[in-house]
Amino acid sequence: DQQVKQNSPSLSVQEGRISILNCDYTNSMFDYFLWYKKYPAEGPTFLISISSIKDKNEDGRFTVFLNKSAKHLSLHIVPSQPGDSAVYFCAASARETSGSRLTFGEGTQLTVNP
Amino acid sequence: DTEVTQTPKHLVMGMTNKKSLKCEQHMGHRAMYWYKQKAKKPPELMFVYSYEKLSINESVPSRFSPECPNSSLLNLHLHALQPEDSALYLCASSRGLATPYEQYFGPGTRLTVT
Repeated sequence: DQQVKQNSPSLSVQEGRISILNCDYTNSMFDYFLWYKKYPAEGPTFLISISSIKDKNEDGRFTVFLNKSAKHLSLHIVPSQPGDSAVYFCAASARETSGSRLTFGEGTQLTVNP
Repeated sequence: DTEVTQTPKHLVMGMTNKKSLKCEQHMGHRAMYWYKQKAKKPPELMFVYSYEKLSINESVPSRFSPECPNSSLLNLHLHALQPEDSALYLCASSRGLATPYEQYFGPGTRLTVT
């Protein structure tokens, strides 16, 4: 049972444009969501998070939107830069039942073309 | 400082060898994690330590043996591994386990079992 889904295995955008990465979840107990970026042969790097009491969180070029009713979140990167090319993982946790234990999606490979 | 360090960076071992992976963090985090990651897949949780005590073991085979000597160090002892255990092994830490906090990952150890 895949509780966190990233349905797009890959996404390609032009430099300077917006990148939108999507994530859906099924477990209604999830109340904290995170995005990680991963380069090949490196560990995931934490990017941005959002609590279920919010619907938006912004940090520089990165904005995460949460739609609880649709059980959907998205990461917006604007403007996209070639250095943003990496695999992006969405992750979720359920504070009541598992604290900081994370459930990851399968990842989306973002390629930003110069 | 959000650095988690892991040694060695690469490890090649035979199926009869005994080796150890090491992880260190100096962020005062009280939860530490071992993950296994195969190519193009999300990290899979193996073990979680909270306040130096084993909190979660995700039914990992006994050929993997974790150890937490103190609050800053986490080891993973390896013995009689199989070729299918070849993967990137990631260590992570977070402020605590009971509430959702961001996990910070190390760069990983690329393990090859021959």
